[in-house]
Amino acid sequence: KAGVTQTPRYLIKTRGQQVTLSCSPISGHRSVSWYQQTPGQGLQFLFEYFSETQRNKGNFPGRFSGRQFSNSRSEMNVSTLELGDSALYLCASSLGSGSHSPLHFGNGTRLTVT
Amino acid sequence: GQQVMQIPQYQHVQEGEDFTTYCNSSTTLSNIQWYKQRPGGHPVFLIQLVKSGEVKKQKRLTFQFGEAKKNSSLHITATQTTDVGTYFCAGNNRNNNDMRFGAGTRLTVKP
Repeated sequence: KAGVTQTPRYLIKTRGQQVTLSCSPISGHRSVSWYQQTPGQGLQFLFEYFSETQRNKGNFPGRFSGRQFSNSRSEMNVSTLELGDSALYLCASSLGSGSHSPLHFGNGTRLTVT
Repeated sequence: GQQVMQIPQYQHVQEGEDFTTYCNSSTTLSNIQWYKQRPGGHPVFLIQLVKSGEVKKQKRLTFQFGEAKKNSSLHITATQTTDVGTYFCAGNNRNNNDMRFGAGTRLTVKP
């Protein structure tokens, strides 16, 4: 089975711009979660989608949004980028929603905001 | 909100020494998962603990879940250079299925 695929791998944007990141989960996985990873803050939960519905949301401003399509692929969007948004954005898929399903992470998208 | 604290933040050991990382939650967990992230890589699932007091072993790795389901530990016996990486715990809140990661323990091993 192919793993979780995230595109693009690297992105450089300037402040004020917006960005869209894409995630294709493992075939058959219906849950997709997004995490922001920075050296100082570790892995911060952004949101989780299951069957096209947002099931859970972390403590991030409204500039961060996401969606999931009927084929379980997911996108996250960050608008009005700030320097502090520079991070590795990780997507993880799982069979079920939330608690008892192990997360399978993609390689991430490294976003640099200048 | 739920807090998952993990200590230590860093651990440097000589190859062959043991290593332990600890995870503590402010709330009772339904389960806890452990992940390993190699340098430059992504987190990889290691194990899940569900039952109070549960102990699981994977070769040189021993995972424990506390009786109160609020803490957990990962112990590596006789570390090897292949153990290098950051180990994360992730706790699921019993009440709202909210999963939170600890800050991770970065392990370096000197050959």
